[in-house]
Amino acid sequence: AQTVTQSQPEMSVQEAETVTLSCTYDTSESDYYLFWYKQPPSRQMILVIRQEAYKQQNATENRFSVNFQKAAKSFSLKISDSQLGDAAMYFCAHNQGGSEKLVFGKGTKLTVNP
Amino acid sequence: NAGVMQNPRHLVRRRGQEARLRCSPMKGHSHVYWYRQLPEEGLKFMVYLQKENIIDESGMPKERFSAEFPKEGPSILRIQQVVRGDSAAYFCASSPLFASQETQYFGPGTRLLVL
Repeated sequence: AQTVTQSQPEMSVQEAETVTLSCTYDTSESDYYLFWYKQPPSRQMILVIRQEAYKQQNATENRFSVNFQKAAKSFSLKISDSQLGDAAMYFCAHNQGGSEKLVFGKGTKLTVNP
Repeated sequence: NAGVMQNPRHLVRRRGQEARLRCSPMKGHSHVYWYRQLPEEGLKFMVYLQKENIIDESGMPKERFSAEFPKEGPSILRIQQVVRGDSAAYFCASSPLFASQETQYFGPGTRLLVL
């Protein structure tokens, strides 16, 4: 069975600083996708970033980047120059190649301190 | 391009009543997914549908829950004889045609409260 583990239930960061959220996953497949979604207090699920497993290059979206370690099955999210609006729950998700369903971790609550 | 639409946003039902949750996918998307989020938990997959077909319902409870995605109109998640344990946020997501590994875009969710 697929599992996604987020080992940090809560994290905090000072505004303008950098924070890294951890995620590990388990799969026997070689082709799959990984995602980070953000859920602010409104509870809307917002895509932050996506990584294809066959790509060695780490995905980047503005202040958000990932450290994808395929052999270690690790997919961490780095947020640079943190802003107050980044405060939210962050969910790591995994989509096994050929499967339609996303498997989510339990989330990390990020607090940004002014 | 309008995003994924869900209604109602909030739904209150008494035990034993029926709940109907609606989801309109993004324009051009014909893959629809339903997920449930219990308090303090991540989202759990329930069902995946294409137009007029249920493709994967491995996450759906065997009783009281059903889903459809008709040729015309929104996808419907139906919960019969609701119980308090059904209280949760139900999210719908959609992805494009011929793109089974594309990003899933989520709607705002329906918060179901069973009294």
